[in-house]
Amino acid sequence: DAGVIQSPRHEVTEMGQEVTLRCKPISGHDYLFWYRQTMMRGLELLIYFNNNVPIDDSGMPEDRFSAKMPNASFSTLKIQPSEPRDSAVYFCASSLGRLRDQPQHFGDGTRLSIL
Amino acid sequence: DAKTTQPNSMESNEEEPVHLPCNHSTISGTDYIHWYRQLPSQGPEYVIHGLTSNVNNRMASLAIAEDRKSSTLILHRATLRDAAVYYCILRDPHTGGFKTIFGAGTRLFVKA
Repeated sequence: DAGVIQSPRHEVTEMGQEVTLRCKPISGHDYLFWYRQTMMRGLELLIYFNNNVPIDDSGMPEDRFSAKMPNASFSTLKIQPSEPRDSAVYFCASSLGRLRDQPQHFGDGTRLSIL
Repeated sequence: DAKTTQPNSMESNEEEPVHLPCNHSTISGTDYIHWYRQLPSQGPEYVIHGLTSNVNNRMASLAIAEDRKSSTLILHRATLRDAAVYYCILRDPHTGGFKTIFGAGTRLFVKA
């Protein structure tokens, strides 16, 4: 079975540019999560969706960050304009139902470097 | 969410059992104990979870203390592929448990 697919795996861009990260969740999963991982702060939840609807975006660091889920099989995380402090590994995860009994399945992440 | 405490690192020999401890003294009655691991350059991977009783699956066993204030992830025979960071986290299904902080976890080193 295909797992969570993220693209690109690596992104290097200059400060001020727009960055778009993409995620395809596991088919049939109704929850989708975006995380950011840094050495200083560990793994942080940015936003999550249920049935394509954003439920909680309180982890999004600021207005430069936005996320969309136009359909059940695709989500994007956009940073505009990007800044060097946004450099991190961004993970997408999906799960089936609530987390009571269902684990989250993570993609392999996008390593983002903002110069 | 309640917090967990894990040792920063542990070392094991290949093919020997490994016991990874986790303290969660402020756990609530409805918190589930979840374990994930993260291999280098990969996303976190679910390992096991439980509420009160000990649990076994193909990857590991989870031993939960009777008072639930601590738990232990048991890898029965460590392999080099088990070298990873192991995270113990608590999830409350009644609040969704989505905002749980993963923390620094325990980095497991496996020697051949």
